[in-house]
Amino acid sequence: QVQLVESGGGLVKPGGSLRLSCAASGFIFSDYYMSWIRQAPGMGLEWISRISSRDTNIYYADSVKGRFTISRDNAKNSLYLQMNSLRAEDTAVYYCAREGGGGWAETDYWGQGTLVTVSS
Amino acid sequence: DIQMTQSPSSLSASVGDRVTITCRASQSINSYLNWYQQKPGKAPKLLIYAASSLQSGVPSRFSGSGSGTDFTLTIRSLQPEDFATYYCQQSYSTPPRTFGQGTKVEIK
Repeated sequence: QVQLVESGGGLVKPGGSLRLSCAASGFIFSDYYMSWIRQAPGMGLEWISRISSRDTNIYYADSVKGRFTISRDNAKNSLYLQMNSLRAEDTAVYYCAREGGGGWAETDYWGQGTLVTVSS
Repeated sequence: DIQMTQSPSSLSASVGDRVTITCRASQSINSYLNWYQQKPGKAPKLLIYAASSLQSGVPSRFSGSGSGTDFTLTIRSLQPEDFATYYCQQSYSTPPRTFGQGTKVEIK
């Protein structure tokens, strides 16, 4: 079965960096677009980044552009999010998510999330 | 950017009720509209994709309709496990893949 397991979250000071990882299993990872989506405490969902199956196309939300970098290693079935210049407003649960391959680009599987807290 | 507006932001309903949630896009998104259910402390779960296609394993009491800018999620007969927050999301254009602000369905 499809599994997405995030890791790397934690407490970091403003201006600091953190790298999130997502280990994928149960499907052919290199066939699928992947995304990172976050949710601040008590708030709604915010899409932040998307990467194509062969990482030729990468997209970011304006709120993280220039600070966050999405990447993937298809040989390791892993997705990453490098987060630099972190701010208090980046505090959130970060979800790794798979985009369905049927052409409608729905997010069909989500990880359990990893909490990132930016605080001094 | 395409804006997604859900209504209502919250509602109270009883078990067995028919519940309708609407989502409006700021421009046409054809049928690139998805619905998710999220329970407290859990990851969202895909319910409906392509505006009206039921995700595998999702009960048939959930249905979606609409195209263009106006969409609806209907729960035919609300069950205790359906009390949750529901989000719409457009997958027509990137970036960003905008979500609606959510609709919290509470027990009356």
